[in-house]
Amino acid sequence: DTEVTQTPKHLVMGMTNKKSLKCEQHMGHRAMYWYKQKAKKPPELMFVYSYEKLSINESVPSRFSPECPNSSLLNLHLHALQPEDSALYLCASSQQREGPQGREQYFGPGTRLTVT
Amino acid sequence: SQQGEEDPQALSIQEGENATMNCSYKTSINNLQWYRQNSGRGLVHLILIRSNEREKHSGRLRVTLDTSKKSSSLLITASRAADTASYFCATAINTGGFKTIFGAGTRLFVKA
Repeated sequence: DTEVTQTPKHLVMGMTNKKSLKCEQHMGHRAMYWYKQKAKKPPELMFVYSYEKLSINESVPSRFSPECPNSSLLNLHLHALQPEDSALYLCASSQQREGPQGREQYFGPGTRLTVT
Repeated sequence: SQQGEEDPQALSIQEGENATMNCSYKTSINNLQWYRQNSGRGLVHLILIRSNEREKHSGRLRVTLDTSKKSSSLLITASRAADTASYFCATAINTGGFKTIFGAGTRLFVKA
């Protein structure tokens, strides 16, 4: 199984709502990632988890709160978002946190988030 | 700013033609990867080339890497309409922890 799944596919939320994005993989990967992608732009790294521990936070605002409950799951909790946070949120995983050997990342299909 | 910059930003070709996309980067890298993304979906890994490699092939894909010029190219031969997508280069850099930085991407349109 080389699939990364993300739910929901689409999410519309108001600025006062609290919602969560979910990501799951069963490839035994110990590194998982959240990216944000605006239209016609490249993905921008938000967070990296390595062995269920947060290893990189790219100065993401605290209204985004990641969580890695176990080695297969990755959540992104959303609270008090702004309209400019509307984007495609992509989850990815890799065999290990990238090191000198380098590892390809497997991406989920993304969650299209609209903040109204 | 993005580590990788790509050109052209957009490319339109006929089916059967070859497509070449270029990527330049700024700092030392451990490897460089190319990904494809279809219309707002997830990215698909195409090929990885390590910093000590100069050329790599995978099916109709050929990737070159010139670390002296800090540049890479992706060649897709005998293109098909199904190759229509955005293509991104991505570099793995060490900033106290390894992370992947994506280039701006090339939007390829292959006309049938």
